[in-house]
Amino acid sequence: KQEVTQIPAALSVPEGENLVLNCSFTDSAIYNLQWFRQDPGKGLTSLLLIQSSQREQTSGRLNASLDKSSGRSTLYIAASQPGDSATYLCAVKGDYKLSFGAGTTVTVRA
Amino acid sequence: DTGVSQNPRHKITKRGQNVTFRCDPISEHNRLYWYRQTLGQGPEFLTYFQNEAQLEKSRLLSDRFSAERPKGSFSTLEIQRTEQGDSAMYLCATTTGGTEAFFGQGTRLTVV
Repeated sequence: KQEVTQIPAALSVPEGENLVLNCSFTDSAIYNLQWFRQDPGKGLTSLLLIQSSQREQTSGRLNASLDKSSGRSTLYIAASQPGDSATYLCAVKGDYKLSFGAGTTVTVRA
Repeated sequence: DTGVSQNPRHKITKRGQNVTFRCDPISEHNRLYWYRQTLGQGPEFLTYFQNEAQLEKSRLLSDRFSAERPKGSFSTLEIQRTEQGDSAMYLCATTTGGTEAFFGQGTRLTVV
């Protein structure tokens, strides 16, 4: 069974700092890894998708890396802003479904 | 709006009542998933459709839960004889195979 762990569970930083969010998974036989953002009481918004053959993916201030062999992914958010405050979830896709971590809740202080 | 649409957004029901949720996928997305999320946890897989065929069901999906996707379009998730433990956010996601998954805004169920 795929187990996904996200560390830390919560993070508080001053505005402008770079954020580093970690995700680890136990089964390296994945098709892709996806990072999501979730605001309180809302659904999930897709941020980045990394296919298993890729090492990283970038979108604006966001960069995600994937090391499939070691079962790790890292999401970097540059120059954080108060609007980045949310819960960030990583999910790995196995044969048919996504398996999620519990998320990292980020607070960016103005 | 061409995203995944879920209705209702919120549902409050008394214990023992039946509830039904609806998910309208992004058009041409042949795969549809239902997930359940409780406070402080990541979403947990419930069931999966490819077109109209229900291919996988989690052990989390008790006999009180049933899902359908007639004609491979919208999907419904019904919970019979609701219990307080059913209170959660129910999320629907759609995709076209190995590509990006898109989620709806979810249905928040509260059983009182």
